[in-house]
Amino acid sequence: AQRVTQPEKLLSVFKGAPVELKCNYSYSGSPELFWYVQYSRQRLQLLLRHISRESIKGFTADLNKGETSFHLKKPFAQEEDSAMYYCALSGLGTSYDKVIFGPGTSLSVIP
Amino acid sequence: DGGITQSPKYLFRKEGQNVTLSCEQNLNHDAMYWYRQDPGQGLRLIYYSQIVNDFQKGDIAEGYSVSREKKESFPLTVTSAQKNPTAFYLCASSGQGAYEQYFGPGTRLTVT
Repeated sequence: AQRVTQPEKLLSVFKGAPVELKCNYSYSGSPELFWYVQYSRQRLQLLLRHISRESIKGFTADLNKGETSFHLKKPFAQEEDSAMYYCALSGLGTSYDKVIFGPGTSLSVIP
Repeated sequence: DGGITQSPKYLFRKEGQNVTLSCEQNLNHDAMYWYRQDPGQGLRLIYYSQIVNDFQKGDIAEGYSVSREKKESFPLTVTSAQKNPTAFYLCASSGQGAYEQYFGPGTRLTVT
């Protein structure tokens, strides 16, 4: 079964501290993994996707197929990083396959 | 803020009434999606449509219905059969060959 899990509902870190939001998935084929972010009073939007291997707003995420994980990391958290983060999964190579979202992690960066 | 719009922002209905939520996009995207967002449960897929006049059930389709008569529009009807309709509803779209989903601002439905 296709599934995305995010073990932490809430995560609080101090400004300047490293942050890691965990994501694990189960998928029988070749997955494409994403991180979406929802800032307060803003729309849900794509933060990054594993296939592009980009660093967005200082965040990176590496796909670990052995551990079926796609953890989101940032070395130094900023207050503006406080938001709801969703890990998501889709089938690589299928244009319109449904996207499966995890339950989300609410990140709070303490000044 | 164009692209994908949802209306209204807030909607109140009495129990037993059907209600239709609007979703329109001008991004020329083929695929459109409806999600329900509940605290602690993330986004759950209700219905999605890959092309005009075609749609598929998502994980929680019971009590909902959709239509896709135009590429730009994908309205969602919450019927009286939906046991727990009070929620935040998100519409999204994606283009051919692109996996990124673009989300609307959402509609908060309250049924009393």
